[in-house]
Amino acid sequence: AQSVAQPEDQVNVAEGNPLTVKCTYSVSGNPYLFWYVQYPNRGLQFLLKYITGDNLVKGSYGFEAEFNKSQTSFHLKKPSALVSDSALYFCAVRDMGSGNTPLVFGKGTRLSVIA
Amino acid sequence: SAVISQKPSRDICQRGTSLTIQCQVDSQVTMMFWYRQQPGQSLTLIATANQGSEATYESGFVIDKFPISRPNLTFSTLTVSNMSPEDSSIYLCSVVPGQGAVGYTFGSGTRLTVV
Repeated sequence: AQSVAQPEDQVNVAEGNPLTVKCTYSVSGNPYLFWYVQYPNRGLQFLLKYITGDNLVKGSYGFEAEFNKSQTSFHLKKPSALVSDSALYFCAVRDMGSGNTPLVFGKGTRLSVIA
Repeated sequence: SAVISQKPSRDICQRGTSLTIQCQVDSQVTMMFWYRQQPGQSLTLIATANQGSEATYESGFVIDKFPISRPNLTFSTLTVSNMSPEDSSIYLCSVVPGQGAVGYTFGSGTRLTVV
């Protein structure tokens, strides 16, 4: 079975500081990994994905994530946080060998960037 | 990537009534997924809908409560039947656009409040 853990319900960071939102996963095979963001009263927006290749993935709005197979982690990072980054962030996974199966989501981490 | 039009964006409904949510995709897709996001929670898969066959429901979700239609490769509906306040959630549809595509696209969501 596939699963995702986001150990932090809430992350607070000062504007201009680097931010990290943590994610670990569990799949039986190799993973496809995703980060999505949800702003208040908005739908789910795709940020980035890891399929294969370079472990450092760059995505939208200056976000990046690093795939670490040995630690089964896919932490989301940004070098300098903006107040507008405040939102709910979801990590999701799918087993690479499972065909077009639905994504399994973590519980979400609420990011608050303070001016 | 695919574009999904999801309607309605929000609704307030009386308990005991039903609401049908529509998702229209701008390209043909094999699978569509329906998720529920309860207040402050993560996304939970309700069912997977393939064109030409009955939807496959996840544990805890039944067809009588959440009937799904998938009449063609670009359209699907989810009905929330005999609603109670516990059904108040955001409902989202999702697709994997295109043969061999890995990314998942989400509709903008339907925010349902049952009073």
